Amino acid sequence: AQSVTQLGSHVSVSEGALVLLRCNYSSSVPPYLFWYVQYPNQGLQLLLKYTTGATLVKGINGFEAEFKKSETSFHLTKPSAHMSDAAEYFCAVSDRMGLGTASKLTFGTGTRLQVTL
Amino acid sequence: DADVTQTPRNRITKTGKRIMLECSQTKGHDRMYWYRQDPGLGLRLIYYSFDVKDINKGEISDGYSVSRQAQAKFSLSLESAIPNQTALYFCATSALTGDEQYFGPGTRLTVT
Repeated sequence: AQSVTQLGSHVSVSEGALVLLRCNYSSSVPPYLFWYVQYPNQGLQLLLKYTTGATLVKGINGFEAEFKKSETSFHLTKPSAHMSDAAEYFCAVSDRMGLGTASKLTFGTGTRLQVTL
Repeated sequence: DADVTQTPRNRITKTGKRIMLECSQTKGHDRMYWYRQDPGLGLRLIYYSFDVKDINKGEISDGYSVSRQAQAKFSLSLESAIPNQTALYFCATSALTGDEQYFGPGTRLTVT
């Protein structure tokens, strides 16, 4: 069975500071990894994903994440936080289906990011 | 228009009532999912369907049922609602050859 652990249910940073949201996963097979963002009163939106290839992946709004197999981690970073980044962020893992596409997702419990002036 | 729509967006119902949440999509995706979101628990998979004739239980299917009426429609039913089913419910879709799931705006359900 797959699982995801997100360390820190709440993270607060100052505007302009580094954002680091932590995600560790457990999977018996090479995983697909995702970060989704949820703005207030909205559904989830994909930020970025790792499937194969380059381990440093870039997403929307200046976010990036690095897949580290040895550490079973997929931490999300952004060099400089903006007020508009305030949201809840979910890490998710999926196994791979026969067509090489993702199967169902297992989500972490989420990290709420607060950005202060 | 939104690609994944959910109706109703908000619903308050009483214990023991039957309720149906509906999801429609215009993305042409084969795969559809139902999740519930609870504070501090993230999203948990209730049911999923990889095509019209395929229905699978997720990790928390007890107390729920689903119907895949067409490629574009996937409904979630609570046969006899109970207060601990109060949650935010999301429908999502994905393509047969894709990795990303696309989420609807959610339905906030309150069972009193």
